[in-house]
Amino acid sequence: SQQGEEDPQALSIQEGENATMNCSYKTSINNLQWYRQNSGRGLVHLILIRSNEREKHSGRLRVTLDTSKKSSSLLITASRAADTASYFCATDDRSGDKLTFGTGTRLAVRP
Amino acid sequence: DAGVIQSPRHEVTEMGQEVTLRCKPISGHNSLFWYRQTMMRGLELLIYFNNNVPIDDSGMPEDRFSAKMPNASFSTLKIQPSEPRDSAVYFCASSFDSNSPLHFGNGTRLTVT
Repeated sequence: SQQGEEDPQALSIQEGENATMNCSYKTSINNLQWYRQNSGRGLVHLILIRSNEREKHSGRLRVTLDTSKKSSSLLITASRAADTASYFCATDDRSGDKLTFGTGTRLAVRP
Repeated sequence: DAGVIQSPRHEVTEMGQEVTLRCKPISGHNSLFWYRQTMMRGLELLIYFNNNVPIDDSGMPEDRFSAKMPNASFSTLKIQPSEPRDSAVYFCASSFDSNSPLHFGNGTRLTVT
């Protein structure tokens, strides 16, 4: 079953604009991760945020986590055409062993 | 580091045939995961191993599916007999431990006709 649900399902923006993707989940977590998938390739890890953290930055990426609302957001600033990909959130179970992936957001950045 | 290596990259087979997918994890990684991705169901965890031992196979859809990890550098996912509904992209991923980020291979696209 899907633990995370991303919103929106698809997003199309102009190069240079910011892209925001949201993820909601259902059960308590130890951490939440975001991954990116280019067409025809495997997923690539972007960033991990622990349940006791509220915000984390990595380059042009900013992730927030609100455990009270069971939601997270991924912000990509100053988007580039190369950011075109699908983005997935993933949450672990209580044991921290299993990662369950959301449904993904397809991002298209127009040059 | 070559990353996680999966083979074959593409597999087309007829219903009823046996299919074997292969994975070489990153050296030094102790956890290995098999996922299946379809448009309808997204990414589903099939099974994962810690230190070559299967920990949770609750995601394996049927007895037709089996997975092995005979050593730290090799794992197989076998489907016997295959059915058209098994058509999907199968990903192998490894991590240093079960709490670390996953490193994915580029997947095997399986088509069962």
